[in-house]
Amino acid sequence: DAKTTQPPSMDCAEGRAANLPCNHSTISGNEYVYWYRQIHSQGPQYIIHGLKNNETNEMASLIITEDRKSSTLILPHATLRDTAVYYCIVRRLAGNMLTFGGGTRLMVKP
Amino acid sequence: GAVVSQHPSRVICKSGTSVKIECRSLDFQATTMFWYRQFPKQSLMLMATSNEGSKATYEQGVEKDKFLINHASLTLSTLTVTSAHPEDSSFYICSARPGQGINQPQHFGDGTRLSIL
Repeated sequence: DAKTTQPPSMDCAEGRAANLPCNHSTISGNEYVYWYRQIHSQGPQYIIHGLKNNETNEMASLIITEDRKSSTLILPHATLRDTAVYYCIVRRLAGNMLTFGGGTRLMVKP
Repeated sequence: GAVVSQHPSRVICKSGTSVKIECRSLDFQATTMFWYRQFPKQSLMLMATSNEGSKATYEQGVEKDKFLINHASLTLSTLTVTSAHPEDSSFYICSARPGQGINQPQHFGDGTRLSIL
């Protein structure tokens, strides 16, 4: 599975949009981009995933560049409860396990 | 939505004790479940893949005799840490994916914090 690169930490003001970038320059055509987050002392929570089209759900939006070498997770109105480590993971279509990198520690501040 | 339940959430026990952790998929069947371990300030590391009705597949460096995995049904996998020692203290997390649809995301339990005194 392709490796991903994320900034180790980011800050965001409460109520503002949080834009979390992820580079996956070696992604192949059959690999999806998944986003999870882990709030302190809890298991990872699924957020969203996509292949090449932008995706939106009740939690977030996922923007994937046309060449698929990078993506951005957008939390439109960040709250204090969105403070967590966010993981960007690339997994092949028929793959099973998820391989976690370092993630981005997002701190939402009042 | 898909829910994975893990029990217990926290265990504190003496060195030499064996500890069993259960992972259940509550509203779906899972032929495959995964066990991860997470040390403080580190990311999740896959320990093993649990396969229903067959032997688990362990990642390199994970002792299969130390971490016994049993996946006896489509909704339950157990991880037993045998003769636990302080260095086994960690956050253990299981995950499972609904079997139907290869594009389904994995869902995680809330983890078990194991502390060996």
